[in-house]
Parts: sequence; C-alpha cells; structure tokens
Amino acid sequence: GDSVTQMEGPVTLSEEAFLTINCTYTATGYPSLFWYVQYPGEGLQLLLKATKADDKGSNKGFEATYRKETTSFHLEKGSVQVSDSAVYFCALKVRNNAGNMLTFGGGTRLMVKP
Amino acid sequence: NAGVTQTPKFQVLKTGQSMTLQCAQDMNHNSMYWYRQDPGMGLRLIYYSASEGTTDKGEVPNGYNVSRLNKREFSLRLESAAPSQTSVYFCASSYPGTSYEQYFGPGTRLTVT
Repeated sequence: GDSVTQMEGPVTLSEEAFLTINCTYTATGYPSLFWYVQYPGEGLQLLLKATKADDKGSNKGFEATYRKETTSFHLEKGSVQVSDSAVYFCALKVRNNAGNMLTFGGGTRLMVKP
Repeated sequence: NAGVTQTPKFQVLKTGQSMTLQCAQDMNHNSMYWYRQDPGMGLRLIYYSASEGTTDKGEVPNGYNVSRLNKREFSLRLESAAPSQTSVYFCASSYPGTSYEQYFGPGTRLTVT
C-alpha cells in the first residue's frame, strides 16, 4: 500500500544552520505530497504542498521539490530559527472510494538552539 | 472563526471506562476525520466522515465508534477504554476535493490506566 518514510529525529541544529529533512514515499499512481508542521501543544498545520512531479512547494522559507524519479520530497530551509522548532510530517494524498485520504509519515522533531 | 475545536483537552480514564471525545468545526467543511498520534508512528486515521450522514473506517478503527451528529460535529467514542488507547487524538476537517489541506484541532491527550 501507500506509505511515507521520514528520517527519524530528533534533528538538533544551531540557529542559522541549513536544514534537510528527508522524506520518501511509495504510492500507486501519482500522489500529491505535503509537509505539515506541528508546533508544541498545537494541532498540525499545512506548511507546503506539491501536486505533480518537479513542482516545488514553498512557504515561510521552507522548500520541497517533488522528485518522481527518486520518489522523494525532502524539506529544506537555508537558515533555521529557534521558532522553527516543531515536529514536521511528510504526507501524501491517496484516493479511495469516499474521498481523498492523507497518509502521514512518522514525523521528525526539529530542535533549534540559539 | 474558532476553526476546529475539541473537548476535553486532557482526560484520564481507568480501563473499562467509556468516554466521548467531541469535535466541532465552523468552516462549513463537509469532511471530518479522527486521528490518533503515537510516538514515532505519526498520525493514523481512525475514522472519517466524507459528508454528513456517512462514516467509514480508517486504518485503526478497532475499539472506537463515531457519530457524525450534523455537518459541524463529529464525535469519537471509546466504549471500553484500554491502556493501548493511551494517545493524543486529533480531529480534522476539510472541503471535499481539497482534503490535502486538513485543518486540525488542538488535540485531546488521553491516558488510560
């Protein structure tokens, strides 16, 4: 079945460091791909998305490119801030009879130190 | 707009007790979802409701029941709680056709002893 695999955390970085969180997927057909972020004590929020191969999603300085050839959607940011400390979830959209469901990866915790 | 609200925020149950988690959204969304979040396992779908009057099982439905009370409200019931149901529960909602953007509530942290 469809699945998402993320690098395990926690990832600990100093402020202004470069961030990469790896995400690979297995899916039939051509899924849409997403990154969600969960700040401490809150629910998930959509961070960015890409709906077809070679699309680049971007938001708040984060970027991810939909790579069909490597089935990947890695999240990157050039210079992280303490406020980016959160858990990041990669997800893909699958279609079933009743609607479009999301399948989530296990999440990667990012800790940014001043 | 409050978005997606959940009650309660925290709950402790003894094994065998029952409870209902409440969820409401004020965004006029058709679709609603219940997830559980466990360490290292991401979010797993328990049940969803594509529209008012319909509910379907997700990945981990055993031990749970749901009710789509009306378009706004979608409740999750544990009839006989077990320690394996200790988790954080999230409700979410979305428009049909754009369910990639699901809007999440703040979660309910449930402990079953």
